[in-house]
Amino acid sequence: DGGITQSPKYLFRKEGQNVTLSCEQNLNHDAMYWYRQDPGQGLRLIYYSQIVNDFQKGDIAEGYSVSREKKESFPLTVTSAQKNPTAFYLCASSPVGQISGGYTFGSGTRLTVV
Amino acid sequence: SQKIEQNSEALNIQEGKTATLTCNYTNYSPAYLQWYRQDPGRGPVFLLLIRENEKEKRKERLKVTFDTTLKQSLFHITASQPADSATYLCALDIYGQNFVFGPGTRLSVLP
Repeated sequence: DGGITQSPKYLFRKEGQNVTLSCEQNLNHDAMYWYRQDPGQGLRLIYYSQIVNDFQKGDIAEGYSVSREKKESFPLTVTSAQKNPTAFYLCASSPVGQISGGYTFGSGTRLTVV
Repeated sequence: SQKIEQNSEALNIQEGKTATLTCNYTNYSPAYLQWYRQDPGRGPVFLLLIRENEKEKRKERLKVTFDTTLKQSLFHITASQPADSATYLCALDIYGQNFVFGPGTRLSVLP
């Protein structure tokens, strides 16, 4: 089955620690995205990538970093510079130039600072 | 400033009735608008896309309208069922590169 896999499902971070969220897709999609979701707010775009080895900042990129070394993978690192990282993180993918099918989302990672 | 609003945070309706959810936007000129369904603790699932030159789109019990003059989209679920209970998100395209999402409306269909 084609899909997009996020891991882990739950993640706990200590103050001052960097953590990396995994996102893998086998849909052969060129574009991948990271969103953050907080209660009562819409999804906010952190980073997106439309091609391997290239990515763009979204609206709330500060305190986050990404890499796109392979088409299938788009990991997100939440750095210690992110002051309020507790949230639900969603990864998505789509074909470039073909939006009629919408985005395919993973099942999310819930990050909590302890 | 740019803003997307969805009519209410929560909407309760009786089973069998038509649910109508609203998505209003300001200072955007989207060429496309999407609707997604999100269940608790899960990622959103794509439902429908409507283009700016389409007035209406249907899929089974779902109907979406798009009025670029009013800057509004309406999302209807006819003959609603308790299984339709979820949060529904609208999303607008930004220059065809990515989408910006509204805050969502939590729909509860009561038996």
